[in-house]
This record gives sequence, C-alpha cells and structure tokens, in this order.
Amino acid sequence: DQQVKQNSPSLSVQEGRISILICDYTNSMFDYFLWYKKYPAEGPTFLISISSIKDKNEDGRFTVFLNKSAKHLSLHIVPSQPGDSAVYFCAASASIQGAQKLVFGQGTRLTINP
Amino acid sequence: GAVVSQHPSWVICKSGTSVKIECRSLDFQATTMFWYRQFPKQSLMLMATSNEGSKATYEQGVEKDKFLINHASLTLSTLTVTSAHPEDSSFYICSARPRTRALYGYTFGSGTRLTVV
Repeated sequence: DQQVKQNSPSLSVQEGRISILICDYTNSMFDYFLWYKKYPAEGPTFLISISSIKDKNEDGRFTVFLNKSAKHLSLHIVPSQPGDSAVYFCAASASIQGAQKLVFGQGTRLTINP
Repeated sequence: GAVVSQHPSWVICKSGTSVKIECRSLDFQATTMFWYRQFPKQSLMLMATSNEGSKATYEQGVEKDKFLINHASLTLSTLTVTSAHPEDSSFYICSARPRTRALYGYTFGSGTRLTVV
C-alpha cells in the first residue's frame, strides 16, 4: 500500500530550465509534506516543506505547491543547475497518527544536463 | 548544527553473523530516533522508532527479534541485524530531530550499506 507515490522514476532537464517533480498521496490524514534530496550512499537532506494549511511555500530556487483536493504536490526548481542532479523524495506525515513518522515516496532521479 | 553520525558507512558480513550499526546525534539530544531501510531504486521504509530508555516501536512486518534496537542514551541508538541473511542486504539509515527544532526538522545519518554474503 504505497500511500505516497512518485510515478516518475526519472526526469531529465536542461540547465537553466525549470524542473518539476510530482508527488501524489492517498492518505487524507496527511497534513505535512516534505521534500528531500539524496545522493547515492548518503542520507537524505531536507529541502523544503509545506503544511496543509498552505498551498505554496517558496525558498530561493525551490517552490512547493500543494493541491489538497487532488492530493497532489509538486516541487519546482528554477533555474535548474547541474548540482541539482540527485534523487528527490517527497515525504508525508499525519500529526494525528503520530506526528514524527514520515512516509516516503519512491523517489525521482533528476538529471540536469549542461 | 544538528549532525547525525552513522557508523559504519558500509559493512560486509557472512550469512549467520550479526552486525551492529550505530547512530549518534553529535551536537544535540534525541529522545527519539528512527531507523529506515532502502532497497535499490525503492523508497525509504520506516522500520522502527527508537525511544530513549524504553522499547523500540516496530512497524508492521518488521521482525523485532531480528532487528534489535537499543537507545540507551540521548545521543546513541544502535540497530543490530541478528543472524543476517543475504535478503537483509540493504541500505540502512537513521534519523533524529533536536527537541529545539520545528516538529519536522529531521536530520538523517549518511547511511550504512550492508552486504551479507
């Protein structure tokens, strides 16, 4: 039962263009969402998060959008840089079910081409 | 700040032996730590929640007798894979959160690649 889904295993984007990573979820109890970036053989590093009371959160080149009715969120990176090449995981949590537990998607491998 | 150190970064062991993985919070205290495993090209799956001074809480389907977790201090949690078999080969990652941080301010360790031969 995959509650958090990233249906695109990989994405390739030209340097300088916008990268859009997609995440869908099924559990309507989720009320907090996070994006992590991960390099091989390393732990994930936190990028940006959004609470369900918002529909957008921006931090520098990174913007996360949340559509609660569609149970859909996206991460926009603009402009994309070669150093952004990594695997990106979205994660979700439900405060009512134990606020500390994160459920991760399968990840999307982003490749930024020079 | 908020560094989580995980050791070893990789280990190869023979089938039937036990392996211990350490997770340390270097500059903060963590009453709760989390252990995940990741198979190639798959998601990070939460295995258990490690609670300082008490028993760990395991996720459904995770064998507590096989994956022993000890959280004896506020800065150290250990995961012991007992009687390891090749199917236990995976990437294990721990995470923790300083109590002073926002609720979801988790920091992850660098992970441990376990290969059982």
